[in-house]
Amino acid sequence: NAGVTQTPKFQVLKTGQSMTLQCAQDMNHEYMSWYRQDPGMGLRLIHYSVGAGITDQGEVPNGYNVSRSTTEDFPLRLLSAAPSQTSVYFCASSYSIGRDGYTFGSGTRLTVV
Amino acid sequence: GNSVTQMEGPVTLSEEAFLTINCTYTATGYPSLFWYVQYPGEGLQLLLKATKADDKGSNKGFEATYRKETTSFHLEKGSVQVSDSAVYFCALKSSGDKLTFGTGTRLAVRP
Repeated sequence: NAGVTQTPKFQVLKTGQSMTLQCAQDMNHEYMSWYRQDPGMGLRLIHYSVGAGITDQGEVPNGYNVSRSTTEDFPLRLLSAAPSQTSVYFCASSYSIGRDGYTFGSGTRLTVV
Repeated sequence: GNSVTQMEGPVTLSEEAFLTINCTYTATGYPSLFWYVQYPGEGLQLLLKATKADDKGSNKGFEATYRKETTSFHLEKGSVQVSDSAVYFCALKSSGDKLTFGTGTRLAVRP
């Protein structure tokens, strides 16, 4: 089925470890983004990309890196995990032109101990 | 900058009750407005949208009207069901592609 696929669904990391959250979409969307969801804070934008080779910072980028080598994939890297990065992470995509909303992945629940 | 303010939850209703979840916004230009729904353990799904003033978005019995004069986009449903229990997010998309979300409102519907 077409959509946004995130892996893994769950992950536990130790403080200081690194990992990559994967995000792939098959809708040929130019725009992709990563959000984190924390209780009482809604969704906050971490990084986004308006096309292959182009990325930019969102509201809370510290501690995260992204790259966009293809239209389909937009991985999020945690460089050195901290307990403050315990959250649920969502990837979303859309056509960059127009007034449509986003298509979201099902999320990755990350716990840093 | 852009911002979205939603009423705080949780909202608890009995089945078949009328639902209103308030949403107001601040934005430059002429934003598109959205309501997303998140069921337990799932990602966000687009519920409805409106792209210009006085537009009414509707889906699954939910409605919201884009009111530019009051900068509001309140979500309503005439008769809620237990299956509507979820978290509802109001969002706007202004110039560029970024969505700005409200903090979400949890709805619990009792049988």
